[in-house]
Amino acid sequence: DQQVKQNSPSLSVQEGRISILNCDYTNSMFDYFLWYKKYPAEGPTFLISISSIKDKNEDGRFTVFLNKSAKHLSLHIVPSQPGDSAVYFCAARSVNTDKLIFGTGTRLQVFP
Amino acid sequence: DGGITQSPKYLFRKEGQNVTLSCEQNLNHDAMYWYRQDPGQGLRLIYYSQIVNDFQKGDIAEGYSVSREKKESFPLTVTSAQKNPTAFYLCASSPGDLRNQPQHFGDGTRLSIL
Repeated sequence: DQQVKQNSPSLSVQEGRISILNCDYTNSMFDYFLWYKKYPAEGPTFLISISSIKDKNEDGRFTVFLNKSAKHLSLHIVPSQPGDSAVYFCAARSVNTDKLIFGTGTRLQVFP
Repeated sequence: DGGITQSPKYLFRKEGQNVTLSCEQNLNHDAMYWYRQDPGQGLRLIYYSQIVNDFQKGDIAEGYSVSREKKESFPLTVTSAQKNPTAFYLCASSPGDLRNQPQHFGDGTRLSIL
């Protein structure tokens, strides 16, 4: 039973346009959500996070939106750059635990 | 320069052998984690430790063992009981005090069976 789902395995976006990566979750006890970026043969790099008390968090070109009623999380990258091409994982943490549950990832390709 | 060091980067195991993957951190983090990544899948938690001399099983602990004798170190042993050990193994750490702090990852060890 996957508690965190990334239903799009891949996404292709032109350089300069917006990339939108989506994530759905089922556990209403999740209170902290994160996005990680991963290149092949490397460890994931933390990108941005959001607490369940907020609905938006912004850091430069990256914005994360949280819709608690829909149990939906999205990452917006604008403008997209070729260096953003990587696999993006969303992750969620339940209240009173330090464990993260990861989605299966979305491979983003940004082309010129 | 603080971070998490995993070694070796590539590791080969013969059938029936145990192998140990190293993970060291100098971030002064209390909590450490081991994950496994398979192609097309997310990261799955093997074991985690929130404090020295204590650790708990994650979702896929069978065939693995860990120790946490020092705050900086959290080695993972892949035993011969793990029937499908070929994977990319990732170690992570976090402050571990339930604040909203992300886990930080090492660069991984790829384990293959000869």
